[in-house]
Amino acid sequence: AQTVTQSQPEMSVQEAETVTLSCTYDTSENNYYLFWYKQPPSRQMILVIRQEAYKQQNATENRFSVNFQKAAKSFSLKISDSQLGDTAMYFCATHWNYMRFGAGTRLTVKP
Amino acid sequence: ETGVTQSPTHLIKTRGQQVTLRCSSQSGHNTVSWYQQALGQGPQFIFQYYREEENGRGNFPPRFSGLQFPNYSSELNVNALELDDSALYLCASSLDVSGSGGYEQYFGPGTRLTVT
Repeated sequence: AQTVTQSQPEMSVQEAETVTLSCTYDTSENNYYLFWYKQPPSRQMILVIRQEAYKQQNATENRFSVNFQKAAKSFSLKISDSQLGDTAMYFCATHWNYMRFGAGTRLTVKP
Repeated sequence: ETGVTQSPTHLIKTRGQQVTLRCSSQSGHNTVSWYQQALGQGPQFIFQYYREEENGRGNFPPRFSGLQFPNYSSELNVNALELDDSALYLCASSLDVSGSGGYEQYFGPGTRLTVT
């Protein structure tokens, strides 16, 4: 079974600084997908970034990038130049057959 | 392009009752997934429909059932409600070209169900 662990229940960062959210997972599969989703206080989940496990290159979307370590089963999210609008719950998820989410990290960006 | 919508927004039911939650997928999407999100937790997968057929189910009892219609809208039905069913129920749609998953899911705003 796949499990997803986010070891940081809460984090805070000053505006314009960089923060890294951790995620580890457990799977016996070789081909799967990894995601980071953001859930702002208004609660609608939106995709931040997606990574295909067979690709070595780390995915990047503007200020958001990942550090994907397949052997270590680690998938951390780096947010550069943090903005107040980045304040939200962040969920790491894996997909093989269906989506499995971690418990989330609550990120607060402080002015 | 219309996003994913869910109805109702909030719902209060009594233990033992039945409830139907509705989801309208994003235009052109052929896959819908339903999740239960308890307060302070991540979403838990309930089941998924691909082209009107259930093609995946999480660890939820049979009293959780669903339907996907030809227009790809969807329903989640829960029978014999229990207090622990109180949660935010999310649906998410995606365009899956092969039925194998892994594509971006677009989430609705959710339905907050309270069971008393």
